[in-house]
Amino acid sequence: DVKVTQSSRYLVKRTGEKVFLECVQDMDHENMFWYRQDPGLGLRLIYFSYDVKMKEKGDIPEGYSVSREKKERFSLILESASTNQTSMYLCASSPYRDRAHEQFFGPGTRLTVL
Amino acid sequence: SQQGEEDPQALSIQEGENATMNCSYKTSINNLQWYRQNSGRGLVHLILIRSNEREKHSGRLRVTLDTSKKSSSLLITASRAADTASYFCATDARGNTPLVFGKGTRLSVIA
Repeated sequence: DVKVTQSSRYLVKRTGEKVFLECVQDMDHENMFWYRQDPGLGLRLIYFSYDVKMKEKGDIPEGYSVSREKKERFSLILESASTNQTSMYLCASSPYRDRAHEQFFGPGTRLTVL
Repeated sequence: SQQGEEDPQALSIQEGENATMNCSYKTSINNLQWYRQNSGRGLVHLILIRSNEREKHSGRLRVTLDTSKKSSSLLITASRAADTASYFCATDARGNTPLVFGKGTRLSVIA
């Protein structure tokens, strides 16, 4: 089974801190995604990557950056955390050959910025 | 950019009843997918229906797709308390774009 793991289930940070959220998948998937999920807003795409060292902006990239140095790892970085970045963050991966393929999600990281 | 919109936003039914959720979208698609999310967890893929298919079944799930109306429905038959979750549709639009998720339907199945 595909496994997508995220570094933390719960995280509490202070305003202005630099925050790293890590995501690792073990099925050699080319595509990886970061979403945030907020009540009433559904899932919104922050950044995605279709290959190592590739990154593309999603719908809400402001205040975030990403890093994909290895195929299996996709990191989301909050350069200077703010309270409006308090949210559930979900990572997902999918295989390259068929971009219509299902996405496999990690368990999520619930981030609170105080 | 949110393409899929689920309806209703919330649904409460008794165990054993059928649950129907709808999804409408705006642009042409390659396929439409349904996902389930248990409270506070990640999403799990349920079923994918391609644009040239009209109906698909998987266990107690039945998905229909009407591309002329740009809509899909997810039917869960003989629901169980364990089906309590949020259900999301996601559309794969034509072109090299990622999936776009709707806001979801919260289903509560009361035992």
